[in-house]
Amino acid sequence: SAVISQKPSRDICQRGTSLTIQCQVDSQVTMMFWYRQQPGQSLTLIATANQGSEATYESGFVIDKFPISRPNLTFSTLTVSNMSPEDSSIYLCSVGQAEGYTFGSGTRLTVV
Amino acid sequence: GNSVTQMEGPVTLSEEAFLTINCTYTATGYPSLFWYVQYPGEGLQLLLKATKADDKGSNKGFEATYRKETTSFHLEKGSVQVSDSAVYFCALLNSGNTPLVFGKGTRLSVIA
Repeated sequence: SAVISQKPSRDICQRGTSLTIQCQVDSQVTMMFWYRQQPGQSLTLIATANQGSEATYESGFVIDKFPISRPNLTFSTLTVSNMSPEDSSIYLCSVGQAEGYTFGSGTRLTVV
Repeated sequence: GNSVTQMEGPVTLSEEAFLTINCTYTATGYPSLFWYVQYPGEGLQLLLKATKADDKGSNKGFEATYRKETTSFHLEKGSVQVSDSAVYFCALLNSGNTPLVFGKGTRLSVIA
């Protein structure tokens, strides 16, 4: 299975600022997925990132708030922009392969 | 559309008790089914999977059988340990390069 390195593992940020989360995969993958997990909740898909094209966002998520880059087949970033306390969550990236989907270790974001 | 329904938690069991966490799904076609586990403060790990009807996935003493006739994939373990305390997520995948669809998760607490 692919191995994902996700950074940072946690951060405490001031409201109104932005944070960029990085995911590096040890093999080339077509699709990468970004999820949000609010405290005590399940995972909600934010967007699907395909290399060389704009990300596809789920209902309730917009590019201005969560811009995503996918410059190559092993790397992606998610930015949480103009943060508010409601953005406090765990953010996870994921890649899919035939044997199963792998997740990054997550970024625990607290906005104060 | 595709959806996964899990039993509500939290579930509290004594050590060595028998565990069942129910999971049913709705999907078009023939999805693959997964159980993921999230230990406190950690990311998601694949626990087991099944890719076709009547397949049984197993790992670390946990088992789940893909039942097409009842559209279910219940997770079982014969004797739980304190170290099994975690949140368990049932998920389905309908086709390659699409995101997993998750249930809401079931928190399990095992007490000594």
